[in-house]
Amino acid sequence: DQQVKQNSPSLSVQEGRISILNCDYTNSMFDYFLWYKKYPAEGPTFLISISSIKDKNEDGRFTVFLNKSAKHLSLHIVPSQPGDSAVYFCAAPAGGTSYGKLTFGQGTILTVHP
Amino acid sequence: GAVVSQHPSRVICKSGTSVKIECRSLDFQATTMFWYRQFPKQSLMLMATSNEGSKATYEQGVEKDKFLINHASLTLSTLTVTSAHPEDSSFYICSAIAGGDGGTQYFGPGTRLLVL
Repeated sequence: DQQVKQNSPSLSVQEGRISILNCDYTNSMFDYFLWYKKYPAEGPTFLISISSIKDKNEDGRFTVFLNKSAKHLSLHIVPSQPGDSAVYFCAAPAGGTSYGKLTFGQGTILTVHP
Repeated sequence: GAVVSQHPSRVICKSGTSVKIECRSLDFQATTMFWYRQFPKQSLMLMATSNEGSKATYEQGVEKDKFLINHASLTLSTLTVTSAHPEDSSFYICSAIAGGDGGTQYFGPGTRLLVL
């Protein structure tokens, strides 16, 4: 049972353009979400999070949007840079708390072309 | 952000041997650490929750006698893969929660295990 889904395995974007990575979830108990960036053979690096009391959270070039009614969140990267090329995972902690064990989506490989 | 280290970064061992992987929180104390495994081109799958001073909690399908977890201090958790077999070859990643940082999990760099 895949409770967190990233249906796009890959995304290719031109440098300077916007990258939009999508994530859907099925468990309505999830109320906190995180995005991680991962390079091959490295651990994930935390990017940005959002609590269900918000519908948007922004940090520099990264913005996460949450649509609770649709059980959908998205990560926007503007402008995209070649160094952003990596695998992006969305994740949600279990148990309705930000301290819970994480359920990860399958990941989306982002490639930003110069 | 908080720093989590893992040692070793890569290990190759013979089938039947045991391998210990260390996970350390370098600049914070972590009462809870998590161990994940990632197979090639797949997502991270939680194996177990490591609690300082108590027994680990294993996810369904994970053999606790095969993957021994010890969380002896607030900055160190170890995962021992006992009697390793080729199918245990994977990328093992630990994470720790920095309590004063809203509960964000910080991940170690991972350990690549190859069992021959």
